[in-house]
Amino acid sequence: EPEVTQTPSHQVTQMGQEVILRCVPISNHLYFYWYRQILGQKVEFLVSFYNNEISEKSEIFDDQFSVERPDGSNFTLKIRSTKLEDSAMYFCASTIASGSNQPQHFGDGTRLSIL
Amino acid sequence: AQSVTQLDSHVSVSEGTPVLLRCNYSSSYSPSLFWYVQHPNKGLQLLLKYTSAATLVKGINGFEAEFKKSETSFHLTKPSAHMSDAAEYFCVVSPMNTGFQKLVFGTGTRLLVSP
Repeated sequence: EPEVTQTPSHQVTQMGQEVILRCVPISNHLYFYWYRQILGQKVEFLVSFYNNEISEKSEIFDDQFSVERPDGSNFTLKIRSTKLEDSAMYFCASTIASGSNQPQHFGDGTRLSIL
Repeated sequence: AQSVTQLDSHVSVSEGTPVLLRCNYSSSYSPSLFWYVQHPNKGLQLLLKYTSAATLVKGINGFEAEFKKSETSFHLTKPSAHMSDAAEYFCVVSPMNTGFQKLVFGTGTRLLVSP
């Protein structure tokens, strides 16, 4: 069964440094998402992306965050200048079509640790 | 605004006994509802979904859930727990009025299964 893959599984970065989290969605999917889960807290929506544009973003997704699909297969989340509170598990997800009845397929996540 | 409340942070059962994980939702619109499972160090796997068809939904691994509009509930059940069911379970809502899904997660219920 096709999977969403995320790399790296664990990223350790100094505060203030830039970090890029990578995701390869399922190949025929068209809608892409990032979520994060701070340790002990809920999974939170960050951003949705379709047709090379952000379709919706949460208030967490401030100017320090950006997403892009640079080559038609990868979907990346960049944090420009990391803060301690960015430490979390970051999940990428994709769906084949729009519509709230379409289940999202998630990757295994990247654990981001900011020192 | 949409939200879900998972009433138990932890549920402990013995292998072979029934499982009940409780979820109540709040939505201004007719929602889509999902249950996801997260095993340690793994991503979020879809167990089942409700999208306004049958109110009793069957999922993978013997799990099922019943949508009860009058009670705004979507509880997850399984007749007989297996050791491999030990994991974190998330109740998730997606409002039907949006094309792009912004999933809203509950806080999760950790299921512990003892021999």
